[in-house]
Amino acid sequence: EIELTQSPATLSLSPGETATLSCRASQSVGGYLAWYQQKPGQAPRLVIYDASKRATGVPPRFGGSGSGTDFTLTISYLEPEDFAVYYCQQRYDWPPITFGQGTRLEIK
Amino acid sequence: QITLKESGPTLVKPMETLTLTCNFSGFSLATGGVGVGWIRQSPGKALEWLALIYWDNDKRYSPSLKSRLTITKDTSKNQVVLTMTYMEPVDTGTYYCVRDSLASNWYYNWFDPWGQGTLVTVS
Repeated sequence: EIELTQSPATLSLSPGETATLSCRASQSVGGYLAWYQQKPGQAPRLVIYDASKRATGVPPRFGGSGSGTDFTLTISYLEPEDFAVYYCQQRYDWPPITFGQGTRLEIK
Repeated sequence: QITLKESGPTLVKPMETLTLTCNFSGFSLATGGVGVGWIRQSPGKALEWLALIYWDNDKRYSPSLKSRLTITKDTSKNQVVLTMTYMEPVDTGTYYCVRDSLASNWYYNWFDPWGQGTLVTVS
């Protein structure tokens, strides 16, 4: 089973700043990694897939990068609606499909 | 517009069987490469993938829960059903239905979109 470790657990930033979230896999997942955004009381929403492709309707301030075992989600010029929990997920070797434990992006 | 909606009991007793239904619209499970799956989230915890079913009736399960899960589809009704046997309090959480799509090879699909989720309490 591929384990995904996200860091930091919580990230406190102000609107307008840039957020950098990390996801590390226990073994290579190639480029088969996605990021999901979850706001309180809502279902997760796909933000990035195939490590760097933005999902439909996702603004260009969201960017994904990485391959192999190390991945980054970068959110530039944070807007108030960007503060949420972000999960990474791998699709390289499954079952099981696995998720990271999440990074909470909170307003400073 | 693609939508998925989960339905089922909000409360089940320990040892009972949970049956959840996902009704979807805006796509067809008869389309090659498309699947529908289930993911759950315990209160305040991370996401856990449970099961997937594909257009050709191929089924995949989480190895840790495989003995307790069954996923089926009714393509004509745009419906997917998940059953989970021997429910325990640790199975309490929100259960999400998702479309599995976006890739040219179904093995590398992604979950998009998600249903609103249904909260199931085991007590």
